[in-house]
Amino acid sequence: KAGVTQTPRYLIKTRGQQVTLSCSPISGHRSVSWYQQTPGQGLQFLFEYFSETQRNKGNFPGRFSGRQFSNSRSEMNVSTLELGDSALYLCASSPLGGGGSYNEQFFGPGTRLTVL
Amino acid sequence: GQQLNQSPQSMFIQEGEDVSMNCTSSSIFNTWLWYKQDPGEGPVLLIALYKAGELTSNGRLTAQFGITRKDSFLNISASIPSDVGIYFCAGDNAGKSTFGDGTTLTVKP
Repeated sequence: KAGVTQTPRYLIKTRGQQVTLSCSPISGHRSVSWYQQTPGQGLQFLFEYFSETQRNKGNFPGRFSGRQFSNSRSEMNVSTLELGDSALYLCASSPLGGGGSYNEQFFGPGTRLTVL
Repeated sequence: GQQLNQSPQSMFIQEGEDVSMNCTSSSIFNTWLWYKQDPGEGPVLLIALYKAGELTSNGRLTAQFGITRKDSFLNISASIPSDVGIYFCAGDNAGKSTFGDGTTLTVKP
């Protein structure tokens, strides 16, 4: 079974630009969650998508958005990039999400975003 | 907002020693999770705890969900070199997780 894949793995952008990151979950998994990891703030939950609907949201500004497609693949978008958005963006997939199937939760390797 | 205090921040131990780390919170969580992250990779779930008071083992790892729902600990017995990495706790409510800052474990052979 293929694992969670994230593309691209590395990305360099400049302030003010926007970026779209992609996450392909494990086959059969319907929940995709996104996280931001920085040295200063640590790991923070961004949002969770299940069956094409955002089910949970963390405390991030509206510049951070996401969506999920019918095949469960998910994208997250960050508009008007700021220097502080430089981070490792991780996604995780699980069969049902919502806090109920963590034993089958798997993370992708992340996308390293650098904002100059 | 919710915050988790994870301690210790780092540990340097000898191979074969036991390790203990914990997380405390001012908020109640319905689920406690423990992850390990190696450099350049995403976190890997080690243990998930769903019930207050629950004690769960996964090989040499043992974790407990505190009875107050505000804390959890992770023990690693007989550490080996591949235990090196960063260990994170997370408290979760219905899919919304709050993470500790991590414990960096170094194991000296």
